This record gives sequence, C-alpha cells and structure tokens, in this order.
Amino acid sequence: KAGVTQTPRYLIKTRGQQVTLSCSPISGHRSVSWYQQTPGQGLQFLFEYFSETQRNKGNFPGRFSGRQFSNSRSEMNVSTLELGDSALYLCASSYGTGSTGELFFGEGSRLTVL
Amino acid sequence: AQTVTQSQPEMSVQEAETVTLSCTYDTSESDYYLFWYKQPPSRQMILVIRQEAYKQQNATENRFSVNFQKAAKSFSLKISDSQLGDAAMYFCAYSPRSNDYKLSFGAGTTVTVRA
Repeated sequence: KAGVTQTPRYLIKTRGQQVTLSCSPISGHRSVSWYQQTPGQGLQFLFEYFSETQRNKGNFPGRFSGRQFSNSRSEMNVSTLELGDSALYLCASSYGTGSTGELFFGEGSRLTVL
Repeated sequence: AQTVTQSQPEMSVQEAETVTLSCTYDTSESDYYLFWYKQPPSRQMILVIRQEAYKQQNATENRFSVNFQKAAKSFSLKISDSQLGDAAMYFCAYSPRSNDYKLSFGAGTTVTVRA
C-alpha cells in the first residue's frame, strides 16, 4: 500500500506570493490533517478534513486554508506569504472514524519564503 | 488546552545501551491516546509506540517500551539495546479520543547513538 504523498517536496517563494501544497492520503483513509513544523514553534496543528469537511482548525490566521476532494486528496493554501511561514508542512492521514488514533505522515513539503 | 512537555532537548546513548526519554502532559480529558513518534533526519515521521489512557498496562514494541503513569501525567519511552538506526528526533504526542486526528506535540528530543 502506498504511503502518504506530498508534493512538491521543496519550494521557494517570495513574500506576498501564495502557495498551494498537495497531499494524497493512504488509500482508504478519509481523514487528512496538516501540521506546520518550525524550529521555533515545533509541530503545530493547522486543520483537519474528513469527507470533504473541515472538522477542526488550529490557531492560524485566515491566510492558511485548505480543502479536501471527493477522492480524499487534500490541498492547503497559504496566501500573502510572510517570512515566518517558512516551515516544513506535514500532511497526515488516517481512517478518521473508529481508528486507533495513529496518524501516517508524509515526508513533508519544505517551504522557504524569501 | 493540552500541553506536552519534553524536558530533554538532547540525549546520547552508547550502542547496545538503554536510554529513557521523558514526557509529561497536561489534560482534563479522561480518555486519550499518547504516542511516541520518530523523525529521522530528512525522513518522514513514523509511529514508534502508542498507549491508550484507559489501559493500565504499559505498551511495548520490541525494543521500545513506555512507562505510563496516568495520575502523574507522565509518559516516558525506554529504548533498549540501542542501535545506530535509532538516531532521530523523538516526539511525544497526545490526542483526545474525541479528536484523535489532532495531535499536540512536545518539542522533541534528539537522540544520538554512539558506535
């Protein structure tokens, strides 16, 4: 079974631009959650989608948004990029209901904002 | 709000020896999960071990075991017979059963294994 796939793996943007990151979950998983990892703040929960609906959102500004498609693939978008948005963005998937609580992570998308 | 604290930024262990990583957490929930995740350099995060709060028995996975003290809200990880491949950042994480996709992570402990 293929793992969680995130694209692109690396990208460089400039302040003010926007970026879209993609995540394909493990087949059969309907929940996709996103995390931001930085040296200063560590790992922080961004949001989670289940069956195309956002169930929960972390404490991030409205510039951070996401969506999920009917095939469970998810995208997250960051608009008006700031230097502080430079981070590793991790996607994780799970069955979403009656699961064991385990999340399966992708390798991440490393965003650098210049 | 739930918080997870890992007080050891770095730990070093000799190959074949044992190392214990500490983790404490704070929650008002009674039903939750605790995890240890491993993140090798430039590689994806993988689950090492998982504990359900209502199970008193400590979880074990081969060379990895935990000491779960629910009343003290403590959840330490013991790595026995350390191997070079165990070198990584280890994160302690918590999630309530009601929102088991929403992990709260500790700051992480970098484990170095000396040959």
